[in-house]
Amino acid sequence: AQKVTQTQTSISVVEKTTVTMDCVYETRDSSYFLFWYKQTASGEIVFLIRQDSYKKENATVGHYSLNFQKPKSSIGLIITATQIEDSAVYFCAMREGNTGKLIFGLGTTLQVQP
Amino acid sequence: DPKIIQKPKYLVAVTGSEKILICEQYLGHNAMYWYRQSAKKPLEFMFSYSYQKLMDNQTASSRFQPQSSKKNHLDLQITALKPDDSATYFCASSQDLGFSGNTLYFGEGSRLIVV
Repeated sequence: AQKVTQTQTSISVVEKTTVTMDCVYETRDSSYFLFWYKQTASGEIVFLIRQDSYKKENATVGHYSLNFQKPKSSIGLIITATQIEDSAVYFCAMREGNTGKLIFGLGTTLQVQP
Repeated sequence: DPKIIQKPKYLVAVTGSEKILICEQYLGHNAMYWYRQSAKKPLEFMFSYSYQKLMDNQTASSRFQPQSSKKNHLDLQITALKPDDSATYFCASSQDLGFSGNTLYFGEGSRLIVV
């Protein structure tokens, strides 16, 4: 069965620094899709960035980028120049086959302090 | 403006009662979903619909019944409510179901408390 694991429960950083959040996954699929979402204090779940397993280049969107290490089944999220408003819970997720089902990790709480 | 609208945002229900959670999406997507978020648990897939047809049901209980009256609507009816049903229910949508790469977008959630 597919599984997504986020081992970091919470991280605290000072604003304008760079933070990396870890995520490892398990799958038997040869092609798969990985996503990062954030959940704000209001509860809203926002899509951030995704990585297609067949792409070797790490995805980048704005100040979000991914560190995709396929041999290690790892997909880390890197946020550069963090801002106070980046404080949220960050979820890693993997899409299962063609079902539309996302398997989520438990999330990492990021607190960005002044 | 939110593109996926869920109503109500908050509701308190009595054990044994029935509630309907409403979801409408204005993204022009063909696939819609329900997910549940309970305390200390990861977001959990419940249902997927494609072109108003149920495609996948991962909910063990028949007390949870999705209803799609229009292509951009997917409501969730919950009967015989139990305190364990207390959670935030998220509606989501994607362009299509079959293409694994499609990204899911989520609504703002409906927080249900059963007392």
